[in-house]
Amino acid sequence: DGGITQSPKYLFRKEGQNVTLSCEQNLNHDAMYWYRQDPGQGLRLIYYSQIVNDFQKGDIAEGYSVSREKKESFPLTVTSAQKNPTAFYLCASSIELRGEQFFGPGTRLTVL
Amino acid sequence: AQSVTQLDSQVPVFEEAPVELRCNYSSSVSVYLFWYVQYPNQGLQLLLKYLSGSTLVKGINGFEAEFNKSQTSFHLRKPSVHISDTAEYFCAVSPGSSNTGKLIFGQGTTLQVKP
Repeated sequence: DGGITQSPKYLFRKEGQNVTLSCEQNLNHDAMYWYRQDPGQGLRLIYYSQIVNDFQKGDIAEGYSVSREKKESFPLTVTSAQKNPTAFYLCASSIELRGEQFFGPGTRLTVL
Repeated sequence: AQSVTQLDSQVPVFEEAPVELRCNYSSSVSVYLFWYVQYPNQGLQLLLKYLSGSTLVKGINGFEAEFNKSQTSFHLRKPSVHISDTAEYFCAVSPGSSNTGKLIFGQGTTLQVKP
């Protein structure tokens, strides 16, 4: 079954700790994305990658970092510099930047 | 630059009533248009998409949308809603063929179906 997996579903961390969220896809898509979603808010783009070994900042990149060493994987690190990291994080992928995006199930991060 | 506006943040409706969720976009080039649905604590899933051809697009779960180029709109409709349609709905726009850019999402509309 092709799709996008995000793990874990729920994640708890102490304030000041870095945490890495996993995103893997087996759709053979070139482009991948990370979004943040807060209650009652829309999607805000954190980072996106059009191709392996390349990525671009989105609208709210401060306090986050990514890597794209493999086509299938696009992990997101939430650093201690992120002021308010508690949120629902969504990963997505698409064949190309303007194409339909396929979403993972999301990771809910709670920082205590 | 393209943008997308969902005109209603919340739409309450009674079960079995019709519903329309409004979406307008601005773009100087041809576009692709999408509607996604998000159930609580889940990712987004595609309802329907317009790439070209017929302006009336049918999607899953009985939803349909009409592309209106002159009014730059892509409103989502369903003739009779169910309680299970309660969810967040996102409209999205991207540049059409031969154009560069990425998919842009609207702010979302919460559809609340009441019994």
